[in-house]
Amino acid sequence: TQLLEQSPQFLSIQEGENLTVYCNSSSVFSSLQWYRQEPGEGPVLLVTVVTGGEVKKLKRLTFQFGDARKDSSLHITAAQPGDTGLYLCAGAGGGNKLTFGTGTQLKVEL
Amino acid sequence: GAVVSQHPSWVICKSGTSVKIECRSLDFQATTMFWYRQFPKKSLMLMATSNEGSKATYEQGVEKDKFLINHASLTLSTLTVTSAHPEDSSFYICSARDTRWVETQYFGPGTRLLVL
Repeated sequence: TQLLEQSPQFLSIQEGENLTVYCNSSSVFSSLQWYRQEPGEGPVLLVTVVTGGEVKKLKRLTFQFGDARKDSSLHITAAQPGDTGLYLCAGAGGGNKLTFGTGTQLKVEL
Repeated sequence: GAVVSQHPSWVICKSGTSVKIECRSLDFQATTMFWYRQFPKKSLMLMATSNEGSKATYEQGVEKDKFLINHASLTLSTLTVTSAHPEDSSFYICSARDTRWVETQYFGPGTRLLVL
């Protein structure tokens, strides 16, 4: 069974701070995706990383895929209240199925 | 962008009744759709993979007779929770895989089910 552990599980920070969320596994994934989910809504895709070592930037968000394609990180610069939400990583494996990480609940306060 | 809808968005039903949830891909074709279940403040748990024109593939521990899945067209999959019980209360989310982009799934807004 493929497992994706995210850390931290919960994070509460002040507006303007930086943060990093980690997504780790012992399994290799063909690609990894990051989602943000708000209460009562479905996850929204932020990015897909495919190549080991790949770095993608989306405004204040920087995503990195580990060289061995087993782990990933999400770094947010100058967090804003609008960044609040549940962040989920998901690894693509066999059968086109996604294995979701354990999730990181982020709260950004004014 | 790719849009996936779910209907209904929320439903309350009595114990013992059946509830059908629809998942539609609005602007793309999806040969494969996925059904997930999510508990409060938890991650998504894959229940089953819905394949157009064939039987769904269920994850270990998910009762196929309890959660009936039908994928009758390239844009519609349905999940029917049969003889619902309070422990079936949850947030059910579907996703659809765009046939053009194998590794990308687009998620619906979810359906909140409450069984009394």
